[in-house]
Amino acid sequence: KQEVTQIPAALSVPEGENLVLNCSFTDSAIYNLQWFRQDPGKGLTSLLLIQSSQREQTSGRLNASLDKSSGRSTLYIAASQPGDSATYLCAVNNNDMRFGAGTRLTVKP
Amino acid sequence: KAGVTQTPRYLIKTRGQQVTLSCSPISGHRSVSWYQQTPGQGLQFLFEYFSETQRNKGNFPGRFSGRQFSNSRSEMNVSTLELGDSALYLCASRRGDTEAFFGQGTRLTVV
Repeated sequence: KQEVTQIPAALSVPEGENLVLNCSFTDSAIYNLQWFRQDPGKGLTSLLLIQSSQREQTSGRLNASLDKSSGRSTLYIAASQPGDSATYLCAVNNNDMRFGAGTRLTVKP
Repeated sequence: KAGVTQTPRYLIKTRGQQVTLSCSPISGHRSVSWYQQTPGQGLQFLFEYFSETQRNKGNFPGRFSGRQFSNSRSEMNVSTLELGDSALYLCASRRGDTEAFFGQGTRLTVV
């Protein structure tokens, strides 16, 4: 059974810092991995999708990497802003999507 | 292009009642998945439908059921509601095994 772990559970940083969120998974037979952002009480907003054959994807200040063999993915956020404050979730897709518990990020002005 | 639409947004039901939630996927997406999100358990997979057939099912009791119509719209039904069914129910649509897009969810409160 696929297990997805996200570290840290919570992170607080001052505005402008670069930061890294981590995601690990136990079964490397995945189709893809997706990073999401969730604001309180809202649905999930897709940030980046990495196919199993890819090593990384970039969108603006976000960069996600995937190392399937070691079962790890990282989400790098450059020059963080208060508007980045949210919970970040990673999900691995093999037959069904399994989610980590998320990292709650707070960016202080 | 319209996103994933879930209705209703909020619902309050009494224990023992049943409830039906609706999800309209993005046009052209034939896969619809349902998830339950609670503070204690996080996001848990309920089931996935593709072309009106249930393709995958999570580890939930038979009180949770779903279906998909020919226009890809999906409904999920929970019968004999329990207090522990209070949660945010999210649906996602995809085209094949590509990027999943989520709706805003239905907040169900069971009293």
